[in-house]
Amino acid sequence: KAGVTQTPRYLIKTRGQQVTLSCSPISGHRSVSWYQQTPGQGLQFLFEYFSETQRNKGNFPGRFSGRQFSNSRSEMNVSTLELGDSALYLCASSLGGGSSYEQYFGPGTRLTVT
Amino acid sequence: ELKVEQNPLFLSMQEGKNYTIYCNYSTTSDRLYWYRQDPGKSLESLFVLLSNGAVKQEGRLMASLDTKARLSTLHITAAVHDLSATYFCAVDPTGYSSASKIIFGSGTRLSIRP
Repeated sequence: KAGVTQTPRYLIKTRGQQVTLSCSPISGHRSVSWYQQTPGQGLQFLFEYFSETQRNKGNFPGRFSGRQFSNSRSEMNVSTLELGDSALYLCASSLGGGSSYEQYFGPGTRLTVT
Repeated sequence: ELKVEQNPLFLSMQEGKNYTIYCNYSTTSDRLYWYRQDPGKSLESLFVLLSNGAVKQEGRLMASLDTKARLSTLHITAAVHDLSATYFCAVDPTGYSSASKIIFGSGTRLSIRP
């Protein structure tokens, strides 16, 4: 069974630009969560999607948004990039709901903002 | 707001020794996770603990959960170099039928020397 995939793996952007990251969950998984990991703030929850609906959101500004498609693939968008957005962005998938608690993480997208 | 505190944050151990990482959290939770992260890599799920008194073991690692004390421990037995990594505990307080919103601890960087 293929794992969670994220594209691109590395990205360099300039302040003020916008970026879109993609996450393909494990086949059959309907929940996708996004996390930001930085040396200063650690791992922080961004949002979770299930069946194309955002069910939960972390404490991030509105510049961070996401969506999920009918095939459960998810995208995350960051507009008007700031230097502080440089981070490793991880997505995780799970079956979602009920007793399906285990999350499987993708390899991450490392975003550098210059 | 839910807080998840790990200690120690750094741990240097000798091979063959035993040690414990502690994870305290500030609110009731239905789910407690332990993850491992190698440098530059993504997160690998180690344990999912779902009930008070739960104990799970995999190789030299054993995790336990005390929901009354809001405490989980990750015990390392007879450490070997391959266990060197950063270990995260994480808590999801949102309930069995709700969406996920996993909150991570700061991580414990474990270094095992010969």
